Amino acid sequence: AQSVAQPEDQVNVAEGNPLTVKCTYSVSGNPYLFWYVQYPNRGLQFLLKYITGDNLVKGSYGFEAEFNKSQTSFHLKKPSALVSDSALYCCAVRDDGQNFVFGPGTRLSVLP
Amino acid sequence: EAGVVQSPRYKIIEKKQPVAFWCNPISGHNTLYWYLQNLGQGPELLIRYENEEAVDDSQLPKDRFSAERLKGVDSTLKIQPAELGDSAVYLCASSLDRVTSGDNEQFFGPGTRLTVL
Repeated sequence: AQSVAQPEDQVNVAEGNPLTVKCTYSVSGNPYLFWYVQYPNRGLQFLLKYITGDNLVKGSYGFEAEFNKSQTSFHLKKPSALVSDSALYCCAVRDDGQNFVFGPGTRLSVLP
Repeated sequence: EAGVVQSPRYKIIEKKQPVAFWCNPISGHNTLYWYLQNLGQGPELLIRYENEEAVDDSQLPKDRFSAERLKGVDSTLKIQPAELGDSAVYLCASSLDRVTSGDNEQFFGPGTRLTVL
């Protein structure tokens, strides 16, 4: 069965600094990897996904994520954080025809 | 294009009462999911439908929870009777899936926040 780990409950970063939100996964077969963001009092929004091809995936709002097969990781990154990026970030994995499994989420706080 | 619609947005009930949540997925999406989300946590799958068939309900507490998607479009999730621990946000999501791959992202509704007193 697939699983997702997000080792940090909370990440704090100063505005303008680069940010990284970590995600590792376990899945049999080819992984499909996703990042979602949830702003306060809002539903989950899709950010980006890795299916195949380039290991570096670019998504919405300037976010990108790097797929690393050997480390089974899919860390989310942004070169310069904004206060408005403060939200809950959830990593998810799915293999062919199976359910999505979400990680526990990481709360990102960008400090002005 | 309308997104995933859920109602009600908020519900407050007393324990042991029944409650129902409704979801209308994005038009044409064949897969529908119900999730439970506790505060500050990622969503946890309750049930997944492919068209009208429940293909994974292994995480659904069947003694008190039930769901249906009779015509393969909208869906209802019911709790009867509700317990204090059921207080959470219930999320509905949909996706357009091909038989041979699962690479399409889900689209989430705004959720229903349930408070059981």
